Amino acid sequence: AQSVTQLGSHVSVSEGALVLLRCNYSSSVPPYLFWYVQYPNQGLQLLLKYTTGATLVKGINGFEAEFKKSETSFHLTKPSAHMSDAAEYFCAVSTGANSKLTFGKGITLSVRP
Amino acid sequence: EPEVTQTPSHQVTQMGQEVILRCVPISNHLYFYWYRQILGQKVEFLVSFYNNEISEKSEIFDDQFSVERPDGSNFTLKIRSTKLEDSAMYFCASSAGTSGRNLYFGPGTRLTVT
Repeated sequence: AQSVTQLGSHVSVSEGALVLLRCNYSSSVPPYLFWYVQYPNQGLQLLLKYTTGATLVKGINGFEAEFKKSETSFHLTKPSAHMSDAAEYFCAVSTGANSKLTFGKGITLSVRP
Repeated sequence: EPEVTQTPSHQVTQMGQEVILRCVPISNHLYFYWYRQILGQKVEFLVSFYNNEISEKSEIFDDQFSVERPDGSNFTLKIRSTKLEDSAMYFCASSAGTSGRNLYFGPGTRLTVT
């Protein structure tokens, strides 16, 4: 079985500040890990993913995440928040190339001017 | 860039009625999925479909649900007799099935059961 924990429901940062969204996972096999973003009234867009290889993964819009097996974590970061980053962010895990995704409950990012 | 499309964007139905949610996956994709998100809750897996059959389904996907790929382009989710608790956003997704596993989601259909 696999699961994802995203603590908190809302993060608020100032424009230009560091964004850190936390994700911890549980998986009985080596995981595939994902971050998705959902803008209002839109579908889920893939930000980045970890499958194998380099543990620091870079995605779109300046986001990156680091897979830390010892901490079972895959936290999402961005050095400098932009107003357009305001959205809901979901961490997800799967156990195979075409297996189902198990999502966390999501976290809403607000960016203050 | 190719995208997954879903129709309708919003469906309102009465309890007990049948609904069909439609999706057009990306044309060369082989794996198809339905997920749902009840308001305020996490996105949940419903079913995956490959090679014209269900490859995996969750406990949510009971006998009231069915999926079909009727014509090689559409992928549908049918709910035979809707319940109030079926109210949710339903997302279709597709994947090419190659390594690297990019799953593309549609914009969703908001189903409201009254």
